[in-house]
Amino acid sequence: QKEVEQNSGPLSVPEGAIASLNCTYSDRVSQSFFWYRQYSGKSPELIMSIYSNGDKEDGRFTAQLNKASQYVSLLIRDSQPSDSATYLCAVNMPRDDKIIFGKGTRLHILP
Amino acid sequence: KAGVTQTPRYLIKTRGQQVTLSCSPISGHRSVSWYQQTPGQGLQFLFEYFSETQRNKGNFPGRFSGRQFSNSRSEMNVSTLELGDSALYLCASSLAIPVYNEQFFGPGTRLTVL
Repeated sequence: QKEVEQNSGPLSVPEGAIASLNCTYSDRVSQSFFWYRQYSGKSPELIMSIYSNGDKEDGRFTAQLNKASQYVSLLIRDSQPSDSATYLCAVNMPRDDKIIFGKGTRLHILP
Repeated sequence: KAGVTQTPRYLIKTRGQQVTLSCSPISGHRSVSWYQQTPGQGLQFLFEYFSETQRNKGNFPGRFSGRQFSNSRSEMNVSTLELGDSALYLCASSLAIPVYNEQFFGPGTRLTVL
């Protein structure tokens, strides 16, 4: 089983709708979870971090964490064409003392 | 506060040469991690430095090395370049060890090996 898994996409979402991005991880003791946005040709940009079960909201973004099911998701409300990018999920692996990145989900917002 | 800076931004080298990349973290950040990003493999961890000590290393050959200076600036070196080393090399800065702290990426160095 891969350590951090994401659907590669592309995920196409109409403008104004909610985009839902999912990420599963393998280590039950993981405690820190991060979402990054990466535009083509650019470096990853941190958009959300979450450490506790439940939801965390920041503007149009909501991160959801369910440690029992070992998944973390990112919701983007009122999707805009500027949200079109690759979204990377990163999870800490305390046993290996590392942060592991998923390969990312390409999101395409349809105008 | 200035972000993470990386130099140079672009490099073209030939096989067998060596290259040194530089990273300056956000002021006050003591941890620097290096990643290699390629279209097929995604973000692969190279190594992590904290207070001038290498705390962790990824599964890369010994041709890849790095160091961190007392001002937290870091360099990575790749010797005997191979075609497969062509990639975007990213440096990430965090306040403390990144396993529990947010990391902020620099703009990257795009290395092309011919």
